[in-house]
Amino acid sequence: NAGVTQTPKFQVLKTGQSMTLQCAQDMNHNSMYWYRQDPGMGLRLIYYSASEGTTDKGEVPNGYNVSRLNKREFSLRLESAAPSQTSVYFCASSGLAGGTGELFFGEGSRLTVL
Amino acid sequence: GEDVEQSLFLSVREGDSSVINCTYTDSSSTYLYWYKQEPGAGLQLLTYIFSNMDMKQDQRLTVLLNKKDKHLSLRIADTQTGDSAIYFCAESRADKLIFGTGTRLQVFP
Repeated sequence: NAGVTQTPKFQVLKTGQSMTLQCAQDMNHNSMYWYRQDPGMGLRLIYYSASEGTTDKGEVPNGYNVSRLNKREFSLRLESAAPSQTSVYFCASSGLAGGTGELFFGEGSRLTVL
Repeated sequence: GEDVEQSLFLSVREGDSSVINCTYTDSSSTYLYWYKQEPGAGLQLLTYIFSNMDMKQDQRLTVLLNKKDKHLSLRIADTQTGDSAIYFCAESRADKLIFGTGTRLQVFP
């Protein structure tokens, strides 16, 4: 049981390049999330998907797009990377009906934009 | 996160108690959470408290909730070097979690 799997784990981009971060969960969760983590800023929500077929903006959506490909997969795309997007990105999922709302996190994707 | 506030650092001696504080904003949050992040890893749920509770104890962990002041705390008794990590509080808002800035706990011998 892998839980939440993110790829790639590390990536270096040049300014203006594009890339997609992939996330998949095998827990049959309804909701999936993308956060970024920066020193002194904690975790900030970029986008989330409360259920298959829906996506919503979080606190810091500018410069990103997402796709909820199916119930398992939720991808995050940077169309034109900027140095300000250097960060650690975490995907998470939740969705046990009547549960506590606990999030299950992937191990993170470390992105550097030069 | 949006105004979920924590102090950034805490340093304690091994064997002492640690208290990590958090101020949240949404009085309608159903649950409040503490997550732990070890170096190079994702976050893992440490404990949570339902909003109608004042206190929850789980082995060495005690969570206190003051709804009037929107204040949440996590006490770790007999702190060990393995407790060194970043601790995040989080509040539930609608269908998402909003996290605080995280408190880096350093435990020294």
